[in-house]
Amino acid sequence: GAVVSQHPSWVICKSGTSVKIECRSLDFQATTMFWYRQFPKQSLMLMATSNEGSKATYEQGVEKDKFLINHASLTLSTLTVTSAHPEDSSFYICSVRRYNNSPLHFGNGTRLTVT
Amino acid sequence: DQQVKQNSPSLSVQEGRISILNCDYTNSMFDYFLWYKKYPAEGPTFLISISSIKDKNEDGRFTVFLNKSAKHLSLHIVPSQPGDSAVYFCAASLPPTSGTYKYIFGTGTRLKVLA
Repeated sequence: GAVVSQHPSWVICKSGTSVKIECRSLDFQATTMFWYRQFPKQSLMLMATSNEGSKATYEQGVEKDKFLINHASLTLSTLTVTSAHPEDSSFYICSVRRYNNSPLHFGNGTRLTVT
Repeated sequence: DQQVKQNSPSLSVQEGRISILNCDYTNSMFDYFLWYKKYPAEGPTFLISISSIKDKNEDGRFTVFLNKSAKHLSLHIVPSQPGDSAVYFCAASLPPTSGTYKYIFGTGTRLKVLA
């Protein structure tokens, strides 16, 4: 069965609005969750590491004020794309792992289209 | 700087034959490697992994080989089946200088298995 649930699976929004994406770990408690982004025909790029009870760690080049991450519980992390613009249109995927150096389990992703 | 590279963007193989997908990396600090399969509009699915202390790991039709001196790993699928047609990503885990292990993904290889 699914290890990770991600919602919504797709969303279309107008430029300037904000969009929240939820990621739930179904199988185990996850102190750490990872948010990736994939542009068409490109690799999965790590955006940030979401840490339960503390601030997220953002990768270089990812604006923390634009991509707000909240990891309020051991099973839920949210990514909010604030003031979205067309260039934010992408496929956003969250993932969890049981412990260091174990496989990442991914959600089914969220296709964001900003018009 | 792409630390994990998959130089073949696509590969076509006849059903029943062997598929060999290749991956090169540049960072000798990577200590755990993984292969994922991805269908369009879905999150990646974990296939197989290997620790840097091993040179081979096998799981059913899937075998991963690691050549540390060459900084190269490969995924063998035998026999290939039409359902294996997907994009395959290799990934490598980087021990943290601080915080959490990071997983870096390659650019992907699109495999097409011909019936």
